[in-house]
Amino acid sequence: NAGVTQTPKFQVLKTGQSMTLQCAQDMNHNSMYWYRQDPGMGLRLIYYSASEGTTDKGEVPNGYNVSRLNKREFSLRLESAAPSQTSVYFCASSEAGGGVQETQYFGPGTRLLVL
Amino acid sequence: AQSVAQPEDQVNVAEGNPLTVKCTYSVSGNPYLFWYVQYPNRGLQFLLKYITGDNLVKGSYGFEAEFNKSQTSFHLKKPSALVSDSALYFCAVRDMGFKTIFGAGTRLFVKA
Repeated sequence: NAGVTQTPKFQVLKTGQSMTLQCAQDMNHNSMYWYRQDPGMGLRLIYYSASEGTTDKGEVPNGYNVSRLNKREFSLRLESAAPSQTSVYFCASSEAGGGVQETQYFGPGTRLLVL
Repeated sequence: AQSVAQPEDQVNVAEGNPLTVKCTYSVSGNPYLFWYVQYPNRGLQFLLKYITGDNLVKGSYGFEAEFNKSQTSFHLKKPSALVSDSALYFCAVRDMGFKTIFGAGTRLFVKA
């Protein structure tokens, strides 16, 4: 099993450009998440999908949109990139409905630089 | 509001010595606490969690954590540190919904 995979690994954008970060998991998990990691701030939740067909905002959703394409795939889109969105983005998944006991499994991350 | 604090940006320890990485939390209701580790250029990996029961939780790679309700702490410990334990460690608390609140992280440096 590959676990959680993310593409691309690294991307450079100019301000105003758009892009989509892809995430896929092969563990048959129901819940998926997008986080951003900034120095000294830990991980912050951008959006999550409790199950296929549902998405909800997290702590820092502004400037982002998501699509839960199917059970396996959860993409994150930046419509008009800004330098403040320079960060490392992590996708994660968890098994059932996102209950309090659930462990999250993380992808390797996408490093995004917005100039 | 739920919160997690990791008071140390970095912890330095010699190989073979015991290590402690500190975490305190603030929650309304029961705490559901996690430790994750991040190696360079990798995603986070689960180490251990406290949901209920024994205050001492054992996890992967010889790590354990002690839940202390009165001190609202969940410190990560290992009796004998290895150089390969050098990494970034995150404490996290889960709320009753889908949100996990992560601490800012503590970088552990184990010197040979």
